[in-house]
Amino acid sequence: ETGVTQTPRHLVMGMTNKKSLKCEQHLGHNAMYWYKQSAKKPLELMFVYNFKEQTENNSVPSRFSPECPNSSHLFLHLHTLQPEDSALYLCATRLLWSSYNEQFFGPGTRLTVL
Amino acid sequence: KNQVEQSPQSLIILEGKNCTLQCNYTVSPFSNLRWYKQDTGRGPVSLTIMTFSENTKSNGRYTATLDADTKQSSLHITASQLSDSASYICVVSPPLWTDYKLSFGAGTTVTVRA
Repeated sequence: ETGVTQTPRHLVMGMTNKKSLKCEQHLGHNAMYWYKQSAKKPLELMFVYNFKEQTENNSVPSRFSPECPNSSHLFLHLHTLQPEDSALYLCATRLLWSSYNEQFFGPGTRLTVL
Repeated sequence: KNQVEQSPQSLIILEGKNCTLQCNYTVSPFSNLRWYKQDTGRGPVSLTIMTFSENTKSNGRYTATLDADTKQSSLHITASQLSDSASYICVVSPPLWTDYKLSFGAGTTVTVRA
């Protein structure tokens, strides 16, 4: 295990639902990320939080809303999603200013939008 | 255009055989190149990391090479096992003094058959 957990692991929702994805890290890291992974495509960076402050919103539609209440937890709130939002959503964490800039990934949430 | 291109997109090999995956990148400058292994339903896990001054790194049956002049890297899997079935992702990291956004390849899916 990488020290990064995500819940739920699988989620099926309708386009009118509201749901939230949760990420928790036990590594003492101070940067957290949300990525979207679609089949056959590179990971797409969605949001970046450094020291609980959002420093990056990579042109993500407003139907995705992140929240970082503390350095150990990261949420992704979902509402009015589209079928094309179906993907694997990965959380990653990093220790800022570490030598190798390594990001540690959680297992992901497989999201299906009907 | 993606700055990290991987080939082939997928391959099938027999258990016990060797294979080599390719990664070409245009990220410049860069601080390190990492190969991740992603099992189905799991997040990516780091296999090897090489800085721009290193040209080879091994992790068990996995050997990565790097040619910073031609901007190419390869991952060689020796004596493949069924557990090697996974997606292998090439990731290039820019220097820490930049925005340190990682550049991801789309991955190569390896299937090992008995």
